[in-house]
Amino acid sequence: DGGITQSPKYLFRKEGQNVTLSCEQNLNHDAMYWYRQDPGQGLRLIYYSQIVNDFQKGDIAEGYSVSREKKESFPLTVTSAQKNPTAFYLCASTRTGGVTEAFFGQGTRLTVV
Amino acid sequence: KQEVTQIPAALSVPEGENLVLNCSFTDSAIYNLQWFRQDPGKGLTSLLLIQSSQREQTSGRLNASLDKSSGRSTLYIAASQPGDSATYLCAVTNQAGTALIFGKGTTLSVSS
Repeated sequence: DGGITQSPKYLFRKEGQNVTLSCEQNLNHDAMYWYRQDPGQGLRLIYYSQIVNDFQKGDIAEGYSVSREKKESFPLTVTSAQKNPTAFYLCASTRTGGVTEAFFGQGTRLTVV
Repeated sequence: KQEVTQIPAALSVPEGENLVLNCSFTDSAIYNLQWFRQDPGKGLTSLLLIQSSQREQTSGRLNASLDKSSGRSTLYIAASQPGDSATYLCAVTNQAGTALIFGKGTTLSVSS
């Protein structure tokens, strides 16, 4: 079955550590996205990529980094510069930019310990 | 800057009731509008996608309408069931057509 796989489901980060969240899709979609969800805040866009080897900052990119070396993969690194990383992270993909139906993974819950 | 608002933030209804969830957006220049469902601790499941040229879409007991000129969409759920309990999110494309902008959602509770 086609879909988006995020791993791990739960992730714990110590202060000062960088951690990487995985997102893989087998839908043959060109565009991929990372969103952050906090209680009462809705989903906020971190980064997006419309094509391999190219990506753009979203509304809250500070403290995060991404890469898009393969069409299927769009990993997100939460760096030590992100001061409040505890949140639920969601990866999504669309066939072509923002004008087609978006599909989401099951999310990664990141907690700072 | 596009902003999306969903009212009410929470809704509780008895089983069997028909209900309407509301979504409004500030910029009518959208490519499409999408409704999602989210269960606690889970990802988003796409329910309905309405292209900017369309007025409504239907899937089973769900019907979504779109009025671009007034910046509004409604999600109608017929004969609600306890299994419909979830958070419903509305999203529209940003002005560049590159990503979705979300409302904060309506949390629905259907009691049996």
